[in-house]
Amino acid sequence: QSALTQPASVSGSPGRSITISCTGTNSDVGSYDLVSWYQQHPGKAPKLIIYEVTKRPSGVSNRFSGSKSGNTASLTVSGLQGEDEADYYCCSYAGRDRVFGGGTTLTVL
Amino acid sequence: QVQLVQSGPEVRQPGASVKVSCKPSGYTFTDYYIHWMRQAPGQGLEWMGWLNPTSGGSHYAQKFRAWVTMTRDTSISTAYLEVNNLKSDDTATYYCARELNSGFYDHWGQGTLVAVSS
Repeated sequence: QSALTQPASVSGSPGRSITISCTGTNSDVGSYDLVSWYQQHPGKAPKLIIYEVTKRPSGVSNRFSGSKSGNTASLTVSGLQGEDEADYYCCSYAGRDRVFGGGTTLTVL
Repeated sequence: QVQLVQSGPEVRQPGASVKVSCKPSGYTFTDYYIHWMRQAPGQGLEWMGWLNPTSGGSHYAQKFRAWVTMTRDTSISTAYLEVNNLKSDDTATYYCARELNSGFYDHWGQGTLVAVSS
């Protein structure tokens, strides 16, 4: 199972929006609506921000949204704030396996 | 509230083994699978496998099948990850996480740093 493909870095100005893509295959992202996204600040454990492609856990800002088309899932962060600066990882169900993306560093300029 | 508490940092020499523990609280231990991930310094998350706390059954990513074992002790509601024949590139923070029904992790342990050095 190969890692999902994410851009290494994205950046945006406060108040603007960014989108992070996560590309897999017909064996993972394309076959299941079971993509999740995690936010990780330095030295901290990952935090769930999106699950089942589009759903947000209680307490997660509605500035975070998810979508999927074919083999590519996407995370959009709108109204960028300084606290959004972190690493973001996608993860897909793949039958008995799970697979993560390589991670994307978001910089808020 | 739900918490997963992991054991403390470890230092091992190459060729040695390490056993990391993960003790969930705030829910019934056998209700949810436990997954293990690792993160090398400055690198991304890597999925290692899962443990079914009810049956003790496990499944590993192909990369780890030869030298990783996931077990549990239901009497103390604790999951374990054992990594054998450690190499320097096994130096990483190892995380356990609770998986909900549809393949996502709503709670994570704090991570355990395993350093492999001669």
